[in-house]
Amino acid sequence: DQQVKQNSPSLSVQEGRISILNCDYTNSMFDYFLWYKKYPAEGPTFLISISSIKDKNEDGRFTVFLNKSAKHLSLHIVPSQPGDSAVYFCAASARNYGGSQGNLIFGKGTKLSVKP
Amino acid sequence: ETGVTQTPRHLVMGMTNKKSLKCEQHLGHNAMYWYKQSAKKPLELMFVYNFKEQTENNSVPSRFSPECPNSSHLFLHLHTLQPEDSALYLCASSSRLSGQGGGETQYFGPGTRLLVL
Repeated sequence: DQQVKQNSPSLSVQEGRISILNCDYTNSMFDYFLWYKKYPAEGPTFLISISSIKDKNEDGRFTVFLNKSAKHLSLHIVPSQPGDSAVYFCAASARNYGGSQGNLIFGKGTKLSVKP
Repeated sequence: ETGVTQTPRHLVMGMTNKKSLKCEQHLGHNAMYWYKQSAKKPLELMFVYNFKEQTENNSVPSRFSPECPNSSHLFLHLHTLQPEDSALYLCASSSRLSGQGGGETQYFGPGTRLLVL
């Protein structure tokens, strides 16, 4: 059973508007969450992360929100740009538990298309 | 070279061939990983090396054989693969602190697109 779920395989947004990508998780031991961006023919690129002691982390146009009670996180991109068009992966780990629990568990990804 | 590099970028091989994938990281990290990405599936962790020692083998078939001669280099030796092994193979590295269980930010290479005929 998938521990990290990205239920929307794709999302289309107009340039300049907000993009919201969602991610749900089932393992309550997860305490560190990351977003990666992947262009075709390239490896995933780290975008932003958040620890479970926070509920928001911001870096420029990118903000990640964490709702621990709902086991949900989201990535907001404002304003969206055509260059943001890529596949976005959510990942989580139980960093403080060690062993294989500390490995990153990835979602299937959401393909974002930002139209000019 | 900077970051994480992988060679070759593309590989076509027959089921009886032996080939190797190479990964090199220039980030001073001490942990390295192999992942498999198949179509419409999440990234699947295959192997983890921490300070050159294999710490995880995620039930990977023996036709995949990893090798980590030092903290900067990682190989994946391939032997008698099956067509279903066709996928994107990604290498990643991270800086794992002593005693820390993992989950640090990992940095990925561009991947090797493998096709097994």
